[in-house]
Amino acid sequence: DQQVKQNSPSLSVQEGRISILNCDYTNSMFDYFLWYKKYPAEGPTFLISISSIKDKNEDGRFTVFLNKSAKHLSLHIVPSQPGDSAVYFCAASLIQGAQKLVFGQGTRLTINP
Amino acid sequence: DAGVIQSPRHEVTEMGQEVTLRCKPISGHNSLFWYRQTMMRGLELLIYFNNNVPIDDSGMPEDRFSAKMPNASFSTLKIQPSEPRDSAVYFCASSLWGRTGELFFGEGSRLTVL
Repeated sequence: DQQVKQNSPSLSVQEGRISILNCDYTNSMFDYFLWYKKYPAEGPTFLISISSIKDKNEDGRFTVFLNKSAKHLSLHIVPSQPGDSAVYFCAASLIQGAQKLVFGQGTRLTINP
Repeated sequence: DAGVIQSPRHEVTEMGQEVTLRCKPISGHNSLFWYRQTMMRGLELLIYFNNNVPIDDSGMPEDRFSAKMPNASFSTLKIQPSEPRDSAVYFCASSLWGRTGELFFGEGSRLTVL
């Protein structure tokens, strides 16, 4: 039973445009959300996170938006660059089990020149 | 600084054989996690340890899977006997307890069971 869902297995975006990756969750007890990025033959690396007390967190070209009422978060990348081509995983955790992350299935982002 | 080190990077074995995957966490990290990546389910948490003690093994799929952490610098994930449906990439990750969510992953061990 997937508690964190990324319904788009892949996304293709033109270089310079905005990339929007979406994630939905079912457990209302999740309190902290993260995005990880994964290149082929490498392990995932932490990208950006957001606490449930916020609705937006920005880090350079990356912004994460959280809509708690809809149990939805999104990652915006603007402008998109070829090096952003990777698999992006959404993850969530509970306060009490903060070390235990539940990941989505991942979305493969391809940035076209 | 060395990151999380996993071995082997690739393993091809036949059904019924024992498989042992190894992990060396980042020095100083006190939490260690084993994840499995499949196309259908993404990254699934199998088990995690704090200070070498297993905290949550609810993700371990069957009794065929076992994990140990004999000391702060080494962990193993064992599958015995292996089955074709165990084919996946297995990731080890480590972190500092209290640093919510910032896991540092190894490069993974790709397992193929024929």
